[in-house]
Amino acid sequence: AQKVTQAQTEISVVEKEDVTLDCVYETRDTTYYLFWYKQPPSGELVFLIRRNSFDEQNEISGRYSWNFQKSTSSFNFTITASQVVDSAVYFCALSGYSGAGSYQLTFGKGTKLSVIP
Amino acid sequence: KAGVTQTPRYLIKTRGQQVTLSCSPISGHRSVSWYQQTPGQGLQFLFEYFSETQRNKGNFPGRFSGRQFSNSRSEMNVSTLELGDSALYLCASSSTGSSIYGYTFGSGTRLTVV
Repeated sequence: AQKVTQAQTEISVVEKEDVTLDCVYETRDTTYYLFWYKQPPSGELVFLIRRNSFDEQNEISGRYSWNFQKSTSSFNFTITASQVVDSAVYFCALSGYSGAGSYQLTFGKGTKLSVIP
Repeated sequence: KAGVTQTPRYLIKTRGQQVTLSCSPISGHRSVSWYQQTPGQGLQFLFEYFSETQRNKGNFPGRFSGRQFSNSRSEMNVSTLELGDSALYLCASSSTGSSIYGYTFGSGTRLTVV
């Protein structure tokens, strides 16, 4: 069975501070995908990044960066110089193959980020 | 191009009733997945449809069902509603359902059962 753990339930930071959201996953699959989604109060899940299990290259995209470490089964997400608009719930998700061509996402419980002006 | 459209945005139903939710995926996408989000259980996979066929189903009772039409639009139905069915229901659109191409979510339908 697959599992995603986001140990941080809520985080509050002051605007312009850096913040890292932690994600630890469990899977027996050798090929899998990891995702980060952002959920603002409007409810939709906004896609941020996707990484496959063979790509451990870390990436920086604007104020966002990701640290994928297969050895520790972690896929952490950092926001640099946080802004009030970053306030949302952030979900880490793991995609696993379920057979018959189907995949499904297993989500962590989410981390609620509040950026205080 | 247009995103994923879910209707209605909000619903209030009485216990014991049934409800139908609709999801129109991104044009050209053939896979639609449904997820239930509750404060207690978080986001849980309900089922996935591809080319009008259910390919996968999560661990939910038979009261939860769905279907997909030839234009890829999908509906999910919940019969004999219970208070615990109150949740945000999200659908995800994907070109093939493979993780390679990712998933685009709609804004969800918030169902309240009273």
